[in-house]
Amino acid sequence: GDSVTQMEGPVTLSEEACLTINCTYTATGYPSLFWYVQYPGEGLQLLLKATKADDKGSNKGFEATYRKETTSFHLEKGSVQVSDSAVYFCALSNDNTGNQFYFGTGTSLTVIP
Amino acid sequence: ETGVTQTPRHLVMGMTNKKSLKCEQHLGHNAMYWYKQSAKKPLELMFVYSLEERVENNSVPSRFSPECPNSSHLFLHLHTLQPEDSALYLCASSHGRGYEQYFGPGTRLTVT
Repeated sequence: GDSVTQMEGPVTLSEEACLTINCTYTATGYPSLFWYVQYPGEGLQLLLKATKADDKGSNKGFEATYRKETTSFHLEKGSVQVSDSAVYFCALSNDNTGNQFYFGTGTSLTVIP
Repeated sequence: ETGVTQTPRHLVMGMTNKKSLKCEQHLGHNAMYWYKQSAKKPLELMFVYSLEERVENNSVPSRFSPECPNSSHLFLHLHTLQPEDSALYLCASSHGRGYEQYFGPGTRLTVT
């Protein structure tokens, strides 16, 4: 069945460091891919999305490119800030499988000054 | 109010109590969801409603009872819960199944 695998955390970075959080997926057809962010004490917020191969989603300095050849959707940011400390979830939805939503297990990021 | 709201934000209840969680979405969406988020576990989808019909129930114990009176409101009725039910309960909505979901802030539930 469909699934999402994201890198284990926690990840700790210094401010202004580069961030990459890996996400790979298993799905038939052409799923839509998403990154969500959860700040402490809050619900999940949609960060960015991509709906077809080679699309690049971007928001708040974060980017992710839908790579069908490697079935990946890695989240990247060139210079992280303390305010980026949160848990990041990769997710997919697939109309081949009844439009179910599949979330990864989450990757915790802490940015230290 | 905009987005998805949930009340209460925090709830402490005994194992013999009955309580309800409320979710309201102001986005004009047709689908609504309940999730359970426990520490160190993946997000668990509990129930899905589409156009006010329950379309998914992922083997959730009967002590959790959802209700969707209209497309904007979703409730989760709780009775005789167990301590292991303590978690963050998240409500979400979407334009339809498969579209991006928008989440509320969650209700932090503690069962004593």
